[in-house]
Amino acid sequence: QSVLTQPPSVSAAPGQKVTISCSGSNSNTGNNYVSWYQQIPGTAPKLLIYDNDKRPSGIPDRFSGSKSGTSATLGITGLQTGDEADYYCETWDSSLSGVVFGGGTKLIVL
Amino acid sequence: QVQLVQSGAEVKKPGASVKVSCKASGYTFTGYYVHWVRQAPGQGPEWMGWISPNSGGRDYAQKFQGRVTMTRDTSINTAYMELSSLRSDDTAVFYCARGYTIFGSFDFWGQGTLVTVSS
Repeated sequence: QSVLTQPPSVSAAPGQKVTISCSGSNSNTGNNYVSWYQQIPGTAPKLLIYDNDKRPSGIPDRFSGSKSGTSATLGITGLQTGDEADYYCETWDSSLSGVVFGGGTKLIVL
Repeated sequence: QVQLVQSGAEVKKPGASVKVSCKASGYTFTGYYVHWVRQAPGQGPEWMGWISPNSGGRDYAQKFQGRVTMTRDTSINTAYMELSSLRSDDTAVFYCARGYTIFGSFDFWGQGTLVTVSS
Protein backbone atom coordinates (compact mmCIF):
# COMPACT_ATOMS: atom_id res chain seq x y z
CA GLN A 1 0.00 0.00 0.00
CA SER A 2 1.64 3.24 -1.19
CA VAL A 3 1.63 6.39 0.89
CA LEU A 4 0.75 8.34 -2.24
CA THR A 5 -2.42 7.36 -4.11
CA GLN A 6 -2.57 7.32 -7.89
CA PRO A 7 -5.23 5.89 -10.21
CA PRO A 8 -4.12 2.49 -11.54
CA SER A 9 -4.70 3.49 -15.15
CA VAL A 10 -5.85 6.29 -17.40
CA SER A 11 -6.52 6.27 -21.12
CA ALA A 12 -7.10 8.72 -23.93
CA ALA A 13 -6.82 8.94 -27.68
CA PRO A 14 -3.80 10.29 -29.55
CA GLY A 15 -3.77 14.08 -29.62
CA GLN A 16 -5.95 14.34 -26.53
CA LYS A 17 -5.06 15.50 -23.02
CA VAL A 18 -4.86 13.42 -19.86
CA THR A 19 -4.28 14.17 -16.20
CA ILE A 20 -2.89 11.87 -13.51
CA SER A 21 -3.53 12.62 -9.87
CA CYS A 22 -1.36 11.96 -6.83
CA SER A 23 -3.00 12.26 -3.43
CA GLY A 24 -1.11 12.35 -0.17
CA SER A 25 -1.17 14.10 3.18
CA ASN A 26 0.29 17.06 5.04
CA SER A 27 3.40 15.05 5.90
CA ASN A 28 4.28 14.47 2.25
CA THR A 29 2.63 16.18 -0.74
CA GLY A 30 1.08 18.90 1.40
CA ASN A 31 4.38 20.36 2.52
CA ASN A 32 7.07 19.08 0.19
CA TYR A 33 7.92 19.31 -3.48
CA VAL A 34 6.51 16.69 -5.83
CA SER A 35 8.33 15.08 -8.73
CA TRP A 36 6.95 12.98 -11.57
CA TYR A 37 8.62 10.17 -13.51
CA GLN A 38 7.86 8.29 -16.70
CA GLN A 39 8.91 4.65 -16.88
CA ILE A 40 8.77 2.62 -20.04
CA PRO A 41 8.86 -1.11 -19.17
CA GLY A 42 12.38 -2.45 -18.96
CA THR A 43 13.97 0.96 -18.54
CA ALA A 44 14.84 3.25 -15.64
CA PRO A 45 12.41 5.98 -14.56
CA LYS A 46 12.88 9.34 -16.26
CA LEU A 47 12.34 12.63 -14.46
CA LEU A 48 9.54 14.66 -16.08
CA ILE A 49 8.65 17.23 -13.42
CA TYR A 50 10.41 18.45 -10.27
CA ASP A 51 9.55 21.03 -7.62
CA ASN A 52 5.83 20.54 -8.42
CA ASP A 53 5.84 22.25 -11.79
CA LYS A 54 9.34 22.55 -13.27
CA ARG A 55 10.53 20.64 -16.32
CA PRO A 56 14.14 19.45 -16.68
CA SER A 57 15.96 20.42 -19.82
CA GLY A 58 14.78 18.34 -22.77
CA ILE A 59 11.31 17.56 -21.44
CA PRO A 60 8.69 18.93 -23.86
CA ASP A 61 6.13 21.43 -22.63
CA ARG A 62 3.39 18.89 -23.37
CA PHE A 63 4.16 17.71 -19.84
CA SER A 64 3.09 19.92 -16.94
CA GLY A 65 2.77 19.64 -13.18
CA SER A 66 0.69 21.36 -10.56
CA LYS A 67 -0.11 21.03 -6.89
CA SER A 68 -2.96 22.16 -4.70
CA GLY A 69 -3.13 21.30 -1.03
CA THR A 70 -2.21 17.65 -0.61
CA SER A 71 -2.82 16.66 -4.24
CA ALA A 72 -0.53 16.94 -7.22
CA THR A 73 -1.39 16.52 -10.87
CA LEU A 74 0.58 15.59 -13.97
CA GLY A 75 -0.87 16.79 -17.25
CA ILE A 76 0.05 15.52 -20.69
CA THR A 77 -1.29 17.20 -23.81
CA GLY A 78 -1.05 16.16 -27.46
CA LEU A 79 -0.84 12.48 -26.49
CA GLN A 80 1.40 10.28 -28.58
CA THR A 81 1.66 6.50 -28.70
CA GLY A 82 5.18 6.89 -27.34
CA ASP A 83 3.70 8.33 -24.13
CA GLU A 84 2.36 4.89 -23.18
CA ALA A 85 4.22 4.14 -19.96
CA ASP A 86 3.89 3.97 -16.20
CA TYR A 87 3.92 7.29 -14.38
CA TYR A 88 4.95 7.76 -10.75
CA CYS A 89 4.75 10.69 -8.37
CA GLU A 90 7.38 11.08 -5.66
CA THR A 91 8.00 13.34 -2.71
CA TRP A 92 9.60 13.53 0.72
CA ASP A 93 7.62 12.35 3.70
CA SER A 94 8.51 14.33 6.81
CA SER A 95 6.94 11.78 9.19
CA LEU A 96 8.76 8.84 7.66
CA SER A 97 11.93 10.89 7.04
CA GLY A 98 12.21 9.32 3.63
CA VAL A 99 11.33 9.53 -0.03
CA VAL A 100 8.01 7.97 -1.03
CA PHE A 101 6.60 7.01 -4.40
CA GLY A 102 3.05 6.64 -5.61
CA GLY A 103 1.78 3.26 -6.71
CA GLY A 104 1.98 4.25 -10.35
CA THR A 105 -0.47 4.94 -13.16
CA LYS A 106 -0.44 3.11 -16.46
CA LEU A 107 -1.18 5.44 -19.36
CA ILE A 108 -2.90 3.81 -22.31
CA VAL A 109 -3.03 5.74 -25.57
CA LEU A 110 -5.95 4.22 -27.45
CA GLN B 1 27.17 13.78 -20.42
CA VAL B 2 26.04 12.53 -17.04
CA GLN B 3 26.10 8.74 -16.74
CA LEU B 4 25.56 6.28 -13.94
CA VAL B 5 26.70 2.80 -14.93
CA GLN B 6 25.81 -0.08 -12.67
CA SER B 7 27.26 -3.54 -12.26
CA GLY B 8 25.71 -6.57 -13.87
CA ALA B 9 22.92 -8.91 -12.87
CA GLU B 10 23.38 -11.17 -9.87
CA VAL B 11 21.85 -14.45 -8.71
CA LYS B 12 22.05 -15.10 -4.99
CA LYS B 13 20.84 -17.73 -2.58
CA PRO B 14 18.63 -16.84 0.38
CA GLY B 15 20.69 -15.57 3.29
CA ALA B 16 23.51 -14.29 1.10
CA SER B 17 24.55 -10.69 0.47
CA VAL B 18 24.82 -8.71 -2.74
CA LYS B 19 26.88 -5.62 -3.50
CA VAL B 20 25.91 -3.42 -6.43
CA SER B 21 28.17 -0.70 -7.80
CA CYS B 22 27.28 2.56 -9.52
CA LYS B 23 30.04 4.40 -11.41
CA ALA B 24 29.39 8.07 -12.07
CA SER B 25 30.82 10.15 -14.90
CA GLY B 26 30.16 13.46 -16.59
CA TYR B 27 29.74 15.51 -13.42
CA THR B 28 31.39 16.25 -10.09
CA PHE B 29 30.72 13.06 -8.12
CA THR B 30 30.99 14.80 -4.75
CA GLY B 31 28.50 17.49 -5.71
CA TYR B 32 25.38 15.33 -5.60
CA TYR B 33 23.82 12.67 -3.41
CA VAL B 34 23.48 9.10 -4.64
CA HIS B 35 20.20 7.45 -3.80
CA TRP B 36 19.27 3.79 -4.19
CA VAL B 37 15.84 2.65 -5.31
CA ARG B 38 14.46 -0.87 -5.51
CA GLN B 39 11.74 -2.04 -7.87
CA ALA B 40 10.27 -5.51 -7.46
CA PRO B 41 8.71 -7.19 -10.51
CA GLY B 42 5.44 -5.49 -11.42
CA GLN B 43 5.73 -3.04 -8.53
CA GLY B 44 6.51 0.64 -8.17
CA PRO B 45 9.85 2.07 -7.09
CA GLU B 46 10.81 1.89 -3.41
CA TRP B 47 13.40 4.24 -1.93
CA MET B 48 16.18 2.59 0.08
CA GLY B 49 18.35 5.49 1.19
CA TRP B 50 21.08 7.94 0.25
CA ILE B 51 24.78 8.52 0.60
CA SER B 52 26.72 11.75 0.29
CA PRO B 53 29.84 11.08 -1.79
CA ASN B 54 31.30 14.28 -0.34
CA SER B 55 31.02 13.58 3.38
CA GLY B 56 30.24 9.88 3.41
CA GLY B 57 27.11 10.65 5.43
CA ARG B 58 24.22 8.32 4.77
CA ASP B 59 20.71 7.48 5.82
CA TYR B 60 18.53 4.48 5.13
CA ALA B 61 14.81 3.87 4.89
CA GLN B 62 13.57 2.28 8.07
CA LYS B 63 12.53 -0.84 6.20
CA PHE B 64 16.13 -1.59 5.26
CA GLN B 65 17.88 -0.49 8.47
CA GLY B 66 20.27 -3.18 9.64
CA ARG B 67 20.38 -4.92 6.25
CA VAL B 68 21.68 -2.26 3.89
CA THR B 69 25.05 -0.53 3.75
CA MET B 70 25.87 2.27 1.33
CA THR B 71 29.46 3.27 0.71
CA ARG B 72 31.46 5.21 -1.83
CA ASP B 73 34.97 5.44 -3.26
CA THR B 74 35.66 8.98 -4.42
CA SER B 75 38.93 7.96 -6.09
CA ILE B 76 36.95 6.07 -8.74
CA ASN B 77 33.65 8.00 -8.57
CA THR B 78 31.73 4.91 -7.53
CA ALA B 79 28.96 4.29 -5.02
CA TYR B 80 28.01 0.91 -3.64
CA MET B 81 24.92 -0.62 -2.09
CA GLU B 82 25.18 -3.87 -0.17
CA LEU B 83 22.08 -5.73 0.96
CA SER B 84 22.45 -8.66 3.33
CA SER B 85 20.28 -11.54 4.56
CA LEU B 86 18.65 -11.76 1.17
CA ARG B 87 15.17 -13.26 0.88
CA SER B 88 13.18 -14.30 -2.16
CA ASP B 89 11.11 -11.13 -1.92
CA ASP B 90 14.28 -9.08 -2.37
CA THR B 91 14.27 -10.15 -6.02
CA ALA B 92 14.15 -6.82 -7.81
CA VAL B 93 15.90 -4.34 -10.04
CA PHE B 94 18.08 -2.00 -7.99
CA TYR B 95 18.79 1.50 -9.32
CA CYS B 96 21.18 4.19 -8.26
CA ALA B 97 20.00 7.72 -8.94
CA ARG B 98 21.49 11.19 -8.61
CA GLY B 99 19.81 13.75 -6.40
CA TYR B 100 20.77 17.33 -5.61
CA THR B 101 19.34 16.95 -2.10
CA ILE B 102 18.40 14.17 0.27
CA PHE B 103 14.72 14.97 -0.29
CA GLY B 104 14.26 13.24 -3.63
CA SER B 105 13.87 14.37 -7.23
CA PHE B 106 16.29 12.18 -9.14
CA ASP B 107 17.49 13.63 -12.42
CA PHE B 108 19.72 10.82 -13.63
CA TRP B 109 19.41 7.09 -13.06
CA GLY B 110 21.61 4.08 -13.58
CA GLN B 111 20.44 1.39 -15.97
CA GLY B 112 19.43 -0.89 -13.12
CA THR B 113 20.82 -4.15 -11.75
CA LEU B 114 18.61 -7.22 -11.53
CA VAL B 115 19.18 -9.21 -8.37
CA THR B 116 17.49 -12.61 -8.29
CA VAL B 117 17.26 -14.43 -4.98
CA SER B 118 16.55 -18.11 -5.44
CA SER B 119 17.54 -21.36 -3.87
